[in-house]
Amino acid sequence: ETGVTQSPTHLIKTRGQQVTLRCSSQSGHNTVSWYQQALGQGPQFIFQYYREEENGRGNFPPRFSGLQFPNYSSELNVNALELDDSALYLCASSLAGQGPGYTFGSGTRLTVV
Amino acid sequence: AQSVTQPDIHITVSEGASLELRCNYSYGATPYLFWYVQSPGQGLQLLLKYFSGDTLVQGIKGFEAEFKRSQSSFNLRKPSVHWSDAAEYFCAVGLNQAGTALIFGKGTTLSVSS
Repeated sequence: ETGVTQSPTHLIKTRGQQVTLRCSSQSGHNTVSWYQQALGQGPQFIFQYYREEENGRGNFPPRFSGLQFPNYSSELNVNALELDDSALYLCASSLAGQGPGYTFGSGTRLTVV
Repeated sequence: AQSVTQPDIHITVSEGASLELRCNYSYGATPYLFWYVQSPGQGLQLLLKYFSGDTLVQGIKGFEAEFKRSQSSFNLRKPSVHWSDAAEYFCAVGLNQAGTALIFGKGTTLSVSS
């Protein structure tokens, strides 16, 4: 089991910029989800990808978008960054059909200044 | 709307004492329930999960949780807390077996005193 790896671990961006966060899922895990965790809060569901298609989305605007690749890696893209986007972004993967119970990465800490 | 409530923001327990962290959920059907633990600056680690069957589930690190449908609760317990258990604990509900979205509570911070 190789785990879930996220990069970078920390990132500082300026308001209005765009950012791409990356996640490498466990081999065979064809479902990946992204979560935003603001300081002192629980994680909030952004969206989920299954076999490279988005198949669920939380209450986040379209400037949050994603991609999933055949090699089990994925990206979270955020356009027009706002100060409130500062948070820990978590990637989680699972194997569809095995029941939920994600394996989470350690996250990317994004600071927007 | 589905929701998860963790009534206790912060709990302090003496090392060796028992622990119970409360979780209440709001969901129309049979929920899939989870407890995760997060150490500072880290991601989330799954402690245990409930899908169906026996309402008392065992997890890692000596934790267990009991699903009580009548009370819409899924409380986490440990008989004897260790200093290394100090962390943030999150209860979550999954909306279906495919795992589409986990709704998390706001978490309970556990401190362990010596």
